[in-house]
Amino acid sequence: SYVLTQPPSVSVAPGQTATISCGGNNIGSKSVHWYQQKPGQAPVLIVYDNSDRASGIPERISGSNSGNTATLTISGVEAGDEADYHCQVWDTPNDPLFVFGSGTKITV
Amino acid sequence: QLQLVQSAAEVKNPGSSVKVSCKASGDSFGTHTIAWVRQAPGQSLEWMGGVIPFFGTTNYAQNFQDRLSISADKSTNTASMELRSLKSDDTAIYYCARETLTSATTSAFDIWGQGTMVTVSS
Repeated sequence: SYVLTQPPSVSVAPGQTATISCGGNNIGSKSVHWYQQKPGQAPVLIVYDNSDRASGIPERISGSNSGNTATLTISGVEAGDEADYHCQVWDTPNDPLFVFGSGTKITV
Repeated sequence: QLQLVQSAAEVKNPGSSVKVSCKASGDSFGTHTIAWVRQAPGQSLEWMGGVIPFFGTTNYAQNFQDRLSISADKSTNTASMELRSLKSDDTAIYYCARETLTSATTSAFDIWGQGTMVTVSS
């Protein structure tokens, strides 16, 4: 099955830029989605199709995807950005159809 | 605006089964797939399978093929997931989520239920 690799944690000071990587074999040929999950809550879709922001998501959150790495960037990090972030791809026609990354905790 | 409301937490013995429901509130499922995704304590997310309530069609991850049943009742706008032969490592939060086509070649999960904690313990 397809494997997505994320760093377990990223620490960033308020106001700085956080970058989360999501590595996968030729992931640049797939569309990557990103979810934010705060403690005790369900995941929330924040970026879809590599770089499109979901409704209500601020412009300081952006995504990119090329080669073997997709990236989520959060500029001007705020305390409210502290959460787990998961990348995800649709790996049809393989099994499983949907693959999630290992998740990255951002600490502010 | 669609909300997905899941059933309450469950505690089950090893070897037994659990059924978790997911009811649409504020709108119907339409022709979307409703997926089930679980998250074991401290772990990431794992897709289990899904159902298109409008057509009644299902698909399952091979990992769960033998002991998972997903169904839907259009009349009550409710989807359900039943996992059998429970083991301790099935202890997890189980989420339902709406799958939406975001382009011609991919889908994402844009609406999630609040999650149902299932604890398997003797």
